[in-house]
Parts: sequence; C-alpha cells; structure tokens
Amino acid sequence: AQKITQTQPGMFVQEKEAVTLDCTYDTSDQSYGLFWYKQPSSGEMIFLIYQGSYDEQNATEGRYSLNFQKARKSANLVISASQLGDSAMYFCAMRLALSGGYNKLIFGAGTRLAVHP
Amino acid sequence: SAVISQKPSRDICQRGTSLTIQCQVDSQVTMMFWYRQQPGQSLTLIATANQGSEATYESGFVIDKFPISRPNLTFSTLTVSNMSPEDSSIYLCSVGDTVYEQYFGPGTRLTVT
Repeated sequence: AQKITQTQPGMFVQEKEAVTLDCTYDTSDQSYGLFWYKQPSSGEMIFLIYQGSYDEQNATEGRYSLNFQKARKSANLVISASQLGDSAMYFCAMRLALSGGYNKLIFGAGTRLAVHP
Repeated sequence: SAVISQKPSRDICQRGTSLTIQCQVDSQVTMMFWYRQQPGQSLTLIATANQGSEATYESGFVIDKFPISRPNLTFSTLTVSNMSPEDSSIYLCSVGDTVYEQYFGPGTRLTVT
C-alpha cells in the first residue's frame, strides 16, 4: 500500500540550530515525487521543497534540504539555522500517478516543530 | 508559482445548510484539486476537477455531498452540502499541472454548529 509515515508528532529545536524531520514512504511505483510543506497556525500550506524519484542529487531550497535515501525509502527534511518563524506543522507528501493522467498527493500525519529562543 | 485565492476565508454555518467555497487562480491550469483537513488531522483529497469534465471523487466522498464546478481554467467551486458538525474542517484548493509543483490556496476554515 502506498503510504507516507512521519513518526515524530512533535519536535523542538533551539534557534539557530539545525533540525531533521523524518519521513518514510512506501510505494511500488518507479516514478514518484516527494514534497514537504509548512503549515503555520493560519492554516495555509506553504510549499518548501520537491524531490523526484529519479533525481540523483538531494534537493535544496535556501535553508531547506531534503535528505533523499531511495533504498531506505526516506525523504527527511533538514532545516538549517532554525528561526522562530519556522515554528509550524510540517507535512511530507508523495505524488501518486492515477489512471487517466491524474496525480494526487497523499500526506503524512505531520510533525509539529517548535523553535525555542 | 501560481497565486491562489479562496473565498470565504472562514465561515460559521448551521447544520443542514450548504456553503460554496470559491477558488481562483491567477493563471490557467488544467487540474484543480480540493482537499479537506479535519481538526488535528492531515490532508485528504476530496476530488480532482478538470475543466470541461465531471470531477473525479476519492473513495469516501460523493458528488451529492461535495458538488464541484469547474467552469473555466482559472476557477472552481466546492459546495459542502447539508452540513453537519463533522464537516468542520479546513478546505483547501490546490493546483499543479507539473509533477514537481503542487500549490495550495490559503484555505477556508469552516465551523458547523
């Protein structure tokens, strides 16, 4: 079954330190994509980073990087130099290809990150 | 990236009534998606809306409860019908025409009393 697992319900980190949020996935598809989103208390979903299954290099976007280990089926998000504004819920998601050319995302349960001053 | 707006941003409704949520995108897109996020939960896809065709609903969601319109390439509506308190959720519109992009609107926070 295709599934996304985030095993850390909550994490905290000191300001300016790095933090890793875990994500593992399960799929039998060869072609898939992995996304990370940030959801602040306002409820909006902010796209952070994307990794395709055929991408050989780990994706990076500013302070965000994705530690993609295909054999282990993990796609952990690393946030460097944490800021107070990073406090939010973080969701890992996987893109699935459906019949008819549709795609959809399935989401993990999320990890709530608290950044302490 | 696409800029997506939703109306209303939040609403409080009585049970048994219906609410229509609007989603507007600043560029033409083929696929629009509607997701639901129940309190304290993750996101679940309700349906995929392709312009000019009937929406495709996920298991557990039906057209009578969540009718969707997609009149053009920049606009869609989701109606939550005959609401009950269990429908209290954040409803999010999303677009993504490429495999590496999927953007979300700001969401509609619905409370049913």
